[in-house]
Amino acid sequence: QQQVRQSPQSLTVWEGGTTVLTCSYEDSTFNYFPWYQQFPGEGPALLISILSVSDKKEDGRFTTFFNKREKKLSLHIIDSQPGDSATYFCAASPGNTGKLIFGLGTTLQVQP
Amino acid sequence: EAAVTQSPRNKVAVTGGKVTLSCNQTNNHNNMYWYRQDTGHGLRLIHYSYGAGSTEKGDIPDGYKASRPSQENFSLILELATPSQTSVYFCASGDLNWGGPSAETLYFGSGTRLTVL
Repeated sequence: QQQVRQSPQSLTVWEGGTTVLTCSYEDSTFNYFPWYQQFPGEGPALLISILSVSDKKEDGRFTTFFNKREKKLSLHIIDSQPGDSATYFCAASPGNTGKLIFGLGTTLQVQP
Repeated sequence: EAAVTQSPRNKVAVTGGKVTLSCNQTNNHNNMYWYRQDTGHGLRLIHYSYGAGSTEKGDIPDGYKASRPSQENFSLILELATPSQTSVYFCASGDLNWGGPSAETLYFGSGTRLTVL
């Protein structure tokens, strides 16, 4: 039973386009939602994160949106670049613990 | 710069053998984690630790032990390795950023690719 569901599994976009990745969850105790980026041969690294008290967090070309009512979150990448080609994981943390539960990941390829 | 170092980078083991994966962090973080990553399963938590001398079971602890002898070091031990434990293993240390205990940033190592024959 996957507690954090992520889609799509893979995605190809053209350079300069907008990438949209989505996640959903069931557990209403989740209140922290980070997105991690992983390049081949490396460990994941924090890209951007949001707490459930907010509905939007922006960092340069990356924006994450959170919808508490629908229990959904998304990651938008504007002006996508070939260097953004990586696997992206959304994750969630239950209240009062730092343990993260990860989605299965989305592999993004940005074509020049 | 946060640093988590794992060794070895690659390991081939035989079924029934003992395997120890090592992790060292220079971040002075209290929390450390072991995850395994498999296609179709994402990242799954095996064991974690809140500090030297403590180990806790994660979501998939069966077949694994952990040891945290110091703040810096956290090991994952497979006493009797099986082919189903073939995977990429990641160690991470955790730093509370903001928002309370649930808002923790994980810093991952580069992983250990383990093959059990």
